[in-house]
Amino acid sequence: KAGVTQTPRYLIKTRGQQVTLSCSPISGHRSVSWYQQTPGQGLQFLFEYFSETQRNKGNFPGRFSGRQFSNSRSEMNVSTLELGDSALYLCASCRTGGSYNEQFFGPGTRLTVL
Amino acid sequence: DQQVKQNSPSLSVQEGRISILNCDYTNSMFDYFLWYKKYPAEGPTFLISISSIKDKNEDGRFTVFLNKSAKHLSLHIVPSQPGDSAVYFCAAREGGSQGNLIFGKGTKLSVKP
Repeated sequence: KAGVTQTPRYLIKTRGQQVTLSCSPISGHRSVSWYQQTPGQGLQFLFEYFSETQRNKGNFPGRFSGRQFSNSRSEMNVSTLELGDSALYLCASCRTGGSYNEQFFGPGTRLTVL
Repeated sequence: DQQVKQNSPSLSVQEGRISILNCDYTNSMFDYFLWYKKYPAEGPTFLISISSIKDKNEDGRFTVFLNKSAKHLSLHIVPSQPGDSAVYFCAAREGGSQGNLIFGKGTKLSVKP
């Protein structure tokens, strides 16, 4: 069974630009969560989508948004990029959500903002 | 304010000895705790978890201990192996089946042969 895939793996943008990251969950998984990992803050929860609806949201500004499609694939968008948005963005999928011991992470997208 | 704290950014242990990774939390509403392991260039992988109604959970070489009164949990790896070298994240969930996970900043474990 294929794991969680994230594209692209690496991305370089400049301040003020916007970026869209993609996550394909494991087949049959309907919940997708997004996390930001930075050296200073560790992993921080961004949001979770389940059946195309945002179910949970972390404490991030409105520049961070996401969506989920009918095939459970999810995209995350960051607008008006800031230097502090440089981070590893991880997505994780699980079958129904809330079963964290069955949550599988992708390898992440490394975003660098110059 | 950090609700989940891993105060040791790194830990070095000799192969075969015990590794003890510590985690403290401040929110008494947390009801479920997890440990994840992360290798470079890979996403975190689930390792072991414990519910707040228990004080110990064991899975092979890995044991997690929970001390609710001290708001402290620890992960014991015995015996430690070089392949255990990774960053370990402690995470906690606030009560409710769909609560968000709150992660610590991680501890980098190095197991030397």
